[in-house]
Amino acid sequence: KQEVTQIPAALSVPEGENLVLNCSFTDSAIYNLQWFRQDPGKGLTSLLLIQSSQREQTSGRLNASLDKSSGRSTLYIAASQPGDSATYLCAVHRGSYIPTFGRGTSLIVHP
Amino acid sequence: DVKVTQSSRYLVKRTGEKVFLECVQDMDHENMFWYRQDPGLGLRLIYFSYDVKMKEKGDIPEGYSVSREKKERFSLILESASTNQTSMYLCASSRSFQGTDTQYFGPGTRLTVL
Repeated sequence: KQEVTQIPAALSVPEGENLVLNCSFTDSAIYNLQWFRQDPGKGLTSLLLIQSSQREQTSGRLNASLDKSSGRSTLYIAASQPGDSATYLCAVHRGSYIPTFGRGTSLIVHP
Repeated sequence: DVKVTQSSRYLVKRTGEKVFLECVQDMDHENMFWYRQDPGLGLRLIYFSYDVKMKEKGDIPEGYSVSREKKERFSLILESASTNQTSMYLCASSRSFQGTDTQYFGPGTRLTVL
């Protein structure tokens, strides 16, 4: 059974820092990996989707990498801002209908 | 833009009541999902549907049922609400079976059962 772990569970940084969120998964036979953002009391918003054949995806200040062989993905946030404060979740898809989600990293960026 | 809407943002019900949560998507997606999200437990899949009138159990289907009579609408039903069903309920939709497409989520329904 696929298990997805996100480390750290919580992170507090000052504005302007570059930071890295980690996601690891136990079964490397995945179709894709997706990073989501969730604001308090809200639904999930997709940030980046990396197909299994890709190594990374970029969107603005966000860069996500994927290393299938080691079962790891990282989400890099450059020049963090208070508006980046949210919970970040990763989800891996093995080709069935259902993705497996990690429990998220709660990020606070303080001014 | 894909839009997934849920019928209520907040809902308060009494133990034993029958509760309907509705989800509508406007992008003709085949797949629709119902999750619940609890602190410390993350997202857990309740049911999903890959076509009209088709449904499959997720990880925690007990105490829930679903209905998909039209492609755009997926309803979650709590036959007899209990306090342990107090949670945040999230609906999602996606286009393909193979997971190559993004899941789009609704804003969530915060259900409290008293």
